[in-house]
Amino acid sequence: GNSVTQMEGPVTLSEEAFLTINCTYTATGYPSLFWYVQYPGEGLQLLLKATKADDKGSNKGFEATYRKETTSFHLEKGSVQVSDSAVYFCASSSGSARQLTFGSGTQLTVLP
Amino acid sequence: EAEVAQSPRYKITEKSQAVAFWCDPISGHATLYWYRQILGQGPELLVQFQDESVVDDSQLPKDRFSAERLKGVDSTLKIQPAELGDSAMYLCASSRGTLNTEAFFGQGTRLTVV
Repeated sequence: GNSVTQMEGPVTLSEEAFLTINCTYTATGYPSLFWYVQYPGEGLQLLLKATKADDKGSNKGFEATYRKETTSFHLEKGSVQVSDSAVYFCASSSGSARQLTFGSGTQLTVLP
Repeated sequence: EAEVAQSPRYKITEKSQAVAFWCDPISGHATLYWYRQILGQGPELLVQFQDESVVDDSQLPKDRFSAERLKGVDSTLKIQPAELGDSAMYLCASSRGTLNTEAFFGQGTRLTVV
């Protein structure tokens, strides 16, 4: 079946540091890939997505590139802010039923 | 901006009692998902609907959980009887169900079983 593996957390960074959160996937066919963010006590919000190989999703300074050869979709941001502190989830969607599968999440804390 | 509505936001129930959650997806979204998220973990799919039909309920504990989406719009997830291990966040999401479209999530229902 499909699965998503994320870098284990928690991750603690200083403000303006560079962020990378690794994500790899296994899926049948050609999945769409997503990064969701979850703030404390809230539901998940879509951060960015990519629907085919070599696509780059971007939003709010975050980027991720769909790498088919390495089955990866790593999340990056050049300069994090305190307000980026949240849990980040990588997800894939594939199959005729568009099943959405999540990774275990990575807690990010950014210190001022 | 359209949102997925869930209620209640919080629910405390005693074990062995029945509990129900409600979800109203974004208008026009054919696919509806119920996820369970245990603290510190990623969401796990319980059931997926396409319109009023169940597409996947392989991870739904059918001895105590049930879900319906009678008119293909809003949905109800029920637990009877609730167990201590059911304490979690229950998330509803919806999508257009077409290729490459993302899912939109509600704020969730935080269930505590005591």
